[in-house]
Amino acid sequence: EVQVVESGGGLVQPGGSLRLSCAASAFTVSGSFMSWVRQAPGEGLEWVSIIYSGGNTYYADSVKGRFTISRDNSKNTLFLQMNSLTVEDTAVYFCTIVTNYYMDVWGIGTTVTVSS
Amino acid sequence: DIQMTQSPSTLSASVGDRVTITCRASRGISNWVAWYQQKPGKAPQLLIYTASTLQSGVPSRFSGSGFGTEFTLSISSLQPDDFATYYCLQYTNSWTFGQGTKVEIK
Repeated sequence: EVQVVESGGGLVQPGGSLRLSCAASAFTVSGSFMSWVRQAPGEGLEWVSIIYSGGNTYYADSVKGRFTISRDNSKNTLFLQMNSLTVEDTAVYFCTIVTNYYMDVWGIGTTVTVSS
Repeated sequence: DIQMTQSPSTLSASVGDRVTITCRASRGISNWVAWYQQKPGKAPQLLIYTASTLQSGVPSRFSGSGFGTEFTLSISSLQPDDFATYYCLQYTNSWTFGQGTKVEIK
């Protein structure tokens, strides 16, 4: 069964860093478009970043210059490196497989809390 | 950036009702719209893509329509399992979600 499982969330102080992971099963991360979408508490969905199979990466303006999406083909895992975190980054972060440019399969999410 | 204005924000309905949710794009986006259902504490589930194509396994009471700037998600006969929050997504130029519509029990 095709699935993705996120990990790496937690509590971090403002200005800190965190790296999220997304482990893939039954498909290859390197051959897929993959993205991160987040949802702040009680709020809607916000696209964060995407990596194409060819390696191109794109970011929402709200995270550009602070977040980096990457993948490890040998581990079949997607990552999101988050630096200079602020309270506004507090959210559940979902890893998704992107099919024909829409978010198709979603993970269950991992919670990031930025607080002092 | 393309904005997606979704309405209503909340919809009260009864089992068996027909409900319609609308998303308006700030400029023309062809049919590059998807719809998702999300239940509390769960990940969103894909319902519809390219505005009107039903995802495999999604009940046929769900349907989507629209082209250009106005899009609708309809549920022909609301079932107890359908009480949830629904989001539209445009994916023609970057990715933007609508604000969401909570469908609650009347």
